Amino acid sequence: EPEVTQTPSHQVTQMGQEVILRCVPISNHLYFYWYRQILGQKVEFLVSFYNNEISEKSEIFDDQFSVERPDGSNFTLKIRSTKLEDSAMYFCASILDRRRYEQYFGPGTRLTVT
Amino acid sequence: AQSVSQHNHHVILSEAASLELGCNYSYGGTVNLFWYVQYPGQHLQLLLKYFSGDPLVKGIKGFEAEFIKSKFSFNLRKPSVQWSDTAEYFCAVKKDSNYQLIWGAGTKLIIKP
Repeated sequence: EPEVTQTPSHQVTQMGQEVILRCVPISNHLYFYWYRQILGQKVEFLVSFYNNEISEKSEIFDDQFSVERPDGSNFTLKIRSTKLEDSAMYFCASILDRRRYEQYFGPGTRLTVT
Repeated sequence: AQSVSQHNHHVILSEAASLELGCNYSYGGTVNLFWYVQYPGQHLQLLLKYFSGDPLVKGIKGFEAEFIKSKFSFNLRKPSVQWSDTAEYFCAVKKDSNYQLIWGAGTKLIIKP
């Protein structure tokens, strides 16, 4: 069964550094998402992406964050200058279309900012 | 702001017990409702979803959920749990007009063999 993959599984970075989290969505899917889950807290929506542009974003997704689909297969989340509070598990998800709306999730990247 | 509440953070049951996990949401318009499960060390997986039609929906692994619009609820049920159901269960809601899922805090379910 096709699946969403994410790399790396764990990223440790120093405060102020840039990080790029990578996701490979399922190949024929059209909508892509990033969520995060801070330890002990709810899963939070960050951003959705369709047709090479952001379709919706949350208040969390400020100017420090950006997303890109550089080559038709990867979907990346960049954090320009990481803060301690960015430490979380970041999940990528994709869906085929909005009518069926079954989100397939990747295994997550644990980001630790020190 | 819209929110999703899951009433129990931890549930411990014995095998063969019946399960009901509560989920309530606060949005009054048209919603789509989901239950996801995360087994230890694995991805989030969709258990079941409600978009329209029969408010009693059946999912994988013997789970079902009932949408009660008047109560803004979407409780998850299973008549007889197994040890392999040990996992974290998340309720999520999507407003019909939006792209994002709004998540409950999750319920950690432990099944004692």
